[in-house]
Amino acid sequence: DADVTQTPRNRITKTGKRIMLECSQTKGHDRMYWYRQDPGLGLQLIYYSFDVKDINKGEISDGYSVSRQAQAKFSLSLESAIPNQTALYFCATSDRAGQPQHFGDGTRLSIL
Amino acid sequence: AQSVTQLDSHVSVSEGTPVLLRCNYSSSYSPSLFWYVQHPNKGLQLLLKYTSAATLVKGINGFEAEFKKSETSFHLTKPSAHMSDAAEYFCVVTLYEGYQKVTFGTGTKLQVIP
Repeated sequence: DADVTQTPRNRITKTGKRIMLECSQTKGHDRMYWYRQDPGLGLQLIYYSFDVKDINKGEISDGYSVSRQAQAKFSLSLESAIPNQTALYFCATSDRAGQPQHFGDGTRLSIL
Repeated sequence: AQSVTQLDSHVSVSEGTPVLLRCNYSSSYSPSLFWYVQHPNKGLQLLLKYTSAATLVKGINGFEAEFKKSETSFHLTKPSAHMSDAAEYFCVVTLYEGYQKVTFGTGTKLQVIP
C-alpha cells in the first residue's frame, strides 16, 4: 500500500463546482503539503501544515482552502472551481525541517 | 531568497551513454538539496539528497550528484543511461526561513534513445 494516498486520481468537473481532494498518509509524519504542478512551472506550494493546529498559506493559496482533520489526513478544497485551476495536484509529507518530502501519486483535475 | 535553475528543459541521450542533468541554485545560507524523479502518472520519488555531509552524494538507480559550493551547482549524473531512466527530473532546494521553504526547479525531461 502507498504511504501517501490521494483520492480521487482523476476528476473532471465544471466551472463553479466545489471540489475536495483528499490525502491520507501512513508515514506518521507531522508535516503535510499541497502542491499544484503545471507544465514547465515545476511545483508550486498551495498550503502546508506542521500539525493539526498549524496551517499556513503557500505561494498560491488564493481560491483554495484546506482542512487538517487528523495527523494523517489533509484535504484541499476548491470552493468555486475555475478553468485555470486545471492542473496536477500533489500531496506530500515530511518528518521535519530539511528532510525530503514523500509524495502521493497525484490528482489530475480538469475544470471545464 | 532562494531559487533553483535547471538549465535544460529536455535532455536526450542514447542508451548506455552518460547522463548529465544540470542544476544551479542560489541561497543565502547553506541549503539542503534534493533530486527527485517523476515517471508518467506518478508522484515524485526521491533520488538523492545533500544535507551538508559529503559533497558527492550517491542515490538510487546508479545516480549521483556533486555539491559544488563555489559554482552553486548540484548536477545529477549517471555513467550509463537505461531505458527505464526516461522520466522528468526535479532539482529542489530547501532552507529553513521560519518555515521549511521548498523551491522546485522547473524540471528536465530525460529521453533515452535505444
